Amino acid sequence: DIQLTQSPSFLSASVGDRVTITCRASQGISTYLAWYQQKPGKAPKLLIYTASTLQSGVPSRFSGSGSGTEFTLTVSSLQPEDFATYYCQQLNSYPLTFGGGTKVEIK
Amino acid sequence: EVQLVESGGGLVKPGGSLRLSCAVSGVTFTNAWMTWVRQTPGKGLEWVALIKSKAAGGTIDYAAPVKGRFIISRDDSKNTLYLQMNSLQTEDTGLYYCTTGGGWGGLDYWGQGILVTVSS
Repeated sequence: DIQLTQSPSFLSASVGDRVTITCRASQGISTYLAWYQQKPGKAPKLLIYTASTLQSGVPSRFSGSGSGTEFTLTVSSLQPEDFATYYCQQLNSYPLTFGGGTKVEIK
Repeated sequence: EVQLVESGGGLVKPGGSLRLSCAVSGVTFTNAWMTWVRQTPGKGLEWVALIKSKAAGGTIDYAAPVKGRFIISRDDSKNTLYLQMNSLQTEDTGLYYCTTGGGWGGLDYWGQGILVTVSS
């Protein structure tokens, strides 16, 4: 199974900050990686797929990059509604696996 | 508007069974790949099973912990996805989500989740 390691697991930031989250895969997955945002009591929401394609309706302050084994999710200017937990997921091979999550909290 | 509505969860004893349903509207269900994902405090988000559209061959895949115990199925005439869960274990306790997708485009629509509790 492909393991995904997210870092950091916890991040404290202020409104307006630029934030970067990293997801590392235990083996190459090309660009078959998605990012999700989850707020308390809600289902995850797809932000980005194929590493860098923004899902329809997602603000352009979110961006993704990477290929192979290293990927990043960047929020260019953190907004109050962005405080949430973020997960990566690989869709290269079954079983599909998720990273452990990164919780972004207000500093 | 896309809606996925799960039902059928609840409290069940170890070794028991449950059948989850997911009613889907707002998408062309016959073309949709469908996935079950669960979330537990201990393991976070965990992919459970996937069923492709008939046009894509209707292929089914399961996560190792549920293979041989869970059965995913779909009824395209009713726009409904199912998860038959047998021989339930305490480790199966969690919030189960029905989602569309599972191919390279990610899991694009999610239900609100349904709670399954396995406890004696």
